[in-house]
Amino acid sequence: DTAVSQTPKYLVTQMGNDKSIKCEQNLGHDTMYWYKQDSKKFLKIMFSYNNKELIINETVPNRFSPKSPDKAHLNLHINSLELGDSAVYFCASSQAYAGGPGYNEQFFGPGTRLTVL
Amino acid sequence: AQSVTQLDSQVPVFEEAPVELRCNYSSSVSVYLFWYVQYPNQGLQLLLKYLSGSTLVKGINGFEAEFNKSQTSFHLRKPSVHISDTAEYFCAVTIKAAGNKLTFGGGTRVLVKP
Repeated sequence: DTAVSQTPKYLVTQMGNDKSIKCEQNLGHDTMYWYKQDSKKFLKIMFSYNNKELIINETVPNRFSPKSPDKAHLNLHINSLELGDSAVYFCASSQAYAGGPGYNEQFFGPGTRLTVL
Repeated sequence: AQSVTQLDSQVPVFEEAPVELRCNYSSSVSVYLFWYVQYPNQGLQLLLKYLSGSTLVKGINGFEAEFNKSQTSFHLRKPSVHISDTAEYFCAVTIKAAGNKLTFGGGTRVLVKP
């Protein structure tokens, strides 16, 4: 069974469109994340949710909106897609983030390759 | 803010030879350090981590890394690589006050040649 799954695996779309990427984890974790990996393989965190509450929101354009219907799912909706949004988007999950010192291992999904034409 | 620099973007190495991947970090506070591996068209997998204690950390697949606080380094090593070690390797850091927010280096591509 896949621990962290993402759909779709590949997404090709035109500039200006709106698209969503879905993420589901079956690990019983409370915290989920979205990362963006650009064409040069640089990885950067975008968002993190802890028990459906937004706890990390990096400097990401407002066109990106995460939604967590329950703690096992964290979807990423992108409005008005731009060429620069082309990247691989990774979802991850970990045990609950309690704030402050401490670390819980993050488990990554296989990624969604988004291509904006 | 913390940052991570991986000094080599690509490392070609022959099968059964040793490999070292260099990672330096910058932070004004205590950190946790990690190495992740990304096989082609796959997600990231944790190789090893340093949280506290012994500065020599052993991970999966025969990899190990050494935390050097004075040199702010966390280099990854494997004494004998296999073809299957061909992958992208990422060093990452998080500060202890924000445990789960990872900052990644730019990655090092290891290409193992027969």
